[in-house]
Amino acid sequence: DAKTTQPNSMESNEEEPVHLPCNHSTISGTDYIHWYRQLPSQGPEYVIHGLTSNVNNRMASLAIAEDRKSSTLILHRATLRDAAVYYCILKNTGTASKLTFGTGTRLQVTL
Amino acid sequence: KAGVTQTPRYLIKTRGQQVTLSCSPISGHRSVSWYQQTPGQGLQFLFEYFSETQRNKGNFPGRFSGRQFSNSRSEMNVSTLELGDSALYLCASSSLGQVQETQYFGPGTRLLVL
Repeated sequence: DAKTTQPNSMESNEEEPVHLPCNHSTISGTDYIHWYRQLPSQGPEYVIHGLTSNVNNRMASLAIAEDRKSSTLILHRATLRDAAVYYCILKNTGTASKLTFGTGTRLQVTL
Repeated sequence: KAGVTQTPRYLIKTRGQQVTLSCSPISGHRSVSWYQQTPGQGLQFLFEYFSETQRNKGNFPGRFSGRQFSNSRSEMNVSTLELGDSALYLCASSSLGQVQETQYFGPGTRLLVL
């Protein structure tokens, strides 16, 4: 499985934008970039995914570098409820259902 | 639609016993995956079932097994429990288990082995 690297932790003020980076220099052409997050005492939940183009949904935006070796999850206005561990995961058609979680980034949001 | 449900939510067992955990996927979902989460190893993929067949498997010993029923409900079994099996066991479902699909996770079963 291609590996992802994320900072261990980040902090943000409430209502400020947050940019969570992810490096995946060994990504293959068919790997999709998925982001999940895990709130305290809950199972992970899907945030967003993309292949080559930037993506937006109601939760977040995903900016993918042109060479696809890195990506950034953008939370436009962080709230206290966004405090969670965020995981950047690569998925390919060979192991489509398998999510390989790294250590993720623990996001702290303060007032 | 109801979400993924897992039973029981909490379980205490002793070493050497076996345990069976249950997962009911979202209605219509045919792919069910299992994960183990521990403080030391993080979230690790155990296996995935699709249409009653194991389709993917992680790197866990044979003591960990699973099955899926015709209604897509899944069970996982751990035999000869060890202290290190204490963990949160999470189940996730998706429609077909394809690469672009979202996986929906249940709340997990917290297993404590004494």
